[in-house]
Amino acid sequence: DSGVTQTPKHLITATGQRVTLRCSPRSGDLSVYWYQQSLDQGLQFLIQYYNGEERAKGNILERFSAQQFPDLHSELNLSSLELGDSALYFCASSAPTVNTEAFFGQGTRLTVV
Amino acid sequence: AQTVTQSQPEMSVQEAETVTLSCTYDTSESDYYLFWYKQPPSRQMILVIRQEAYKQQNATENRFSVNFQKAAKSFSLKISDSQLGDAAMYFCAYSPTDSWGKLQFGAGTQVVVTP
Repeated sequence: DSGVTQTPKHLITATGQRVTLRCSPRSGDLSVYWYQQSLDQGLQFLIQYYNGEERAKGNILERFSAQQFPDLHSELNLSSLELGDSALYFCASSAPTVNTEAFFGQGTRLTVV
Repeated sequence: AQTVTQSQPEMSVQEAETVTLSCTYDTSESDYYLFWYKQPPSRQMILVIRQEAYKQQNATENRFSVNFQKAAKSFSLKISDSQLGDAAMYFCAYSPTDSWGKLQFGAGTQVVVTP
């Protein structure tokens, strides 16, 4: 158990819908990272938050957004869902000090039908 | 932009034998970090080993070791005395110096371990 909690574990929704994925980082970690793992694109970095502020952006679509709340949990919002958004979405967190390991959650499997 | 390439989609190894996974990367930075992550069927991403680019010495973690060739931009993983529990997808990853969590992953190599 990495200490990073993601909910839900599985999600099935229809095209055009909106979903929210939730991530609770390890205790004390300030950074949260979101990744998408799909058959087409592999593992891709989406976005990073640090202590509530956006720190870095990767290949995140405009239909996707994220935020980190004062209690440090993070949410990834996916809207206008398309079939191609079906993927495993990972959250990872790391400690405030520079150059520390990122610990991954078990992911949320999103299926868009 | 950095790219990470793993050219072996699948590698098969017998128990107790050794297997080497290849990884090449492209970057214009002189300092960075490289990682190997393991993803078993449980889909959990597990850090296997890391290498700081400024260190010439190759990293070792028990049965796992790397061969880091900075000039060639090559970063291979050797798994010695392979065990059934080593069966998984292995990802090579690159990160900048300021954030180990901002990872650029390769496509992965599936390791199959046969008894």
